[in-house]
Amino acid sequence: GAVVSQHPSRVICKSGTSVKIECRSLDFQATTMFWYRQFPKQSLMLMATSNEGSKATYEQGVEKDKFLINHASLTLSTLTVTSAHPEDSSFYICSAREGHTGDMGYGYTFGSGTRLTVV
Amino acid sequence: AQKITQTQPGMFVQEKEAVTLDCTYDTSDQSYGLFWYKQPSSGEMIFLIYQGSYDEQNATEGRYSLNFQKARKSANLVISASQLGDSAMYFCAMRETFYNTDKLIFGTGTRLQVFP
Repeated sequence: GAVVSQHPSRVICKSGTSVKIECRSLDFQATTMFWYRQFPKQSLMLMATSNEGSKATYEQGVEKDKFLINHASLTLSTLTVTSAHPEDSSFYICSAREGHTGDMGYGYTFGSGTRLTVV
Repeated sequence: AQKITQTQPGMFVQEKEAVTLDCTYDTSDQSYGLFWYKQPSSGEMIFLIYQGSYDEQNATEGRYSLNFQKARKSANLVISASQLGDSAMYFCAMRETFYNTDKLIFGTGTRLQVFP
């Protein structure tokens, strides 16, 4: 089945530094990738949607300059948390999808998530 | 407005019993999809079952079945013969088409605990 690899699984960084999280689709071409954020005991909140080769679309309230998303190829998307602060500590999880908008036959495959701790 | 509503923050079930996790949704689209995911403490999202809005039969996948009531806009997950390993968070999600993208929107989740 479809597999999405997300790295790193855990990262601790100092306040003010930047952290990059990678999400790779291993056996399919991800037309669209999604980035979610999840606080403890809460649901997944969609941060942004990225289509290969175009700029990401951010959800309302998500800072574009803080959470940089790049989807340069059909198999790789990255999320960079810039100038991280303790309040950015969270669980970040990516999801990838084949197919195009309206193709109901394609599901969503999730990465295993990245637990970011900013100290 | 809340698109996906899961009213049960927590549920308990005894091993080998069946349990129903509730999910209601709100959409004006004619074509949509409903998903259930399991999230154990490790954090990964495990796909369980999918129901398309045009599917006439309720979806089933092993011990999981989806009780789809379109007129009531509900898509409840039924887990039969619960196992201790079923203890996890369960999320209902809906595929929402917005401009040129299909997004997956999640409910708040239900924490299921299976006891011996």
